[in-house]
Amino acid sequence: GQQVQQSPASLVLQEGENAELQCNFSSTATQLQWFYQRPGGSLVSLLYNPSGTKHTGRLTSTTVTKERRSSLHISSSQITDSGTYFCAMEGAGGADRLTFGKGTQLIIQP
Amino acid sequence: GALVYQYPRRTICKSGTSMRMECQAVGFQATSVAWYRQSPQKTFELIALSTVNSAIKYEQNFTQEKFPISHPNLSFSSMTVLNAYLEDRGLYLCGARGLTEVFFGKGTRLTVV
Repeated sequence: GQQVQQSPASLVLQEGENAELQCNFSSTATQLQWFYQRPGGSLVSLLYNPSGTKHTGRLTSTTVTKERRSSLHISSSQITDSGTYFCAMEGAGGADRLTFGKGTQLIIQP
Repeated sequence: GALVYQYPRRTICKSGTSMRMECQAVGFQATSVAWYRQSPQKTFELIALSTVNSAIKYEQNFTQEKFPISHPNLSFSSMTVLNAYLEDRGLYLCGARGLTEVFFGKGTRLTVV
């Protein structure tokens, strides 16, 4: 089945530093989303980006479809950015099934 | 905007009893609704997928007998956990797909005692 690998598993940064999160998948992605999960559990959609580069606020995602990878860049990190970031993809013929990575836990320190 | 409401947010049930959770898409028409469970170790498992005009499809290790789902219209879905035991605990998330993007509710956290 489809596999999604996220790296690093955890990342500790100082406030103001930039964060780079990586996602690699085992098959071509027709759908690719980045999610943020707050410590309380809510899963928030950050970016839908199956190919190319997308921006929203301090977030930038770049997906290179043929290389089966996507990245999420967070610029000027803030303490409130702390949480777990998930990459989820759907492959060709995936029939609306999202496969999630195991997440990157981001900790922003003052 | 597109929102997905899920309730209850948390529930505690006795081992062997059942509990029902609900999911409602607001502000968009959901072309499909998927139920996931996130384990205490944070991994996600797809339980079942419900698509408009198609039967509900359950993933391996999940059955209709254990997790019956009702999806009467594009906006509403409910799932029941029957005879809940310790291994059923976790965060149950409902994901509703719009045209492309999937939106999730805040989840129902199930504790079994």
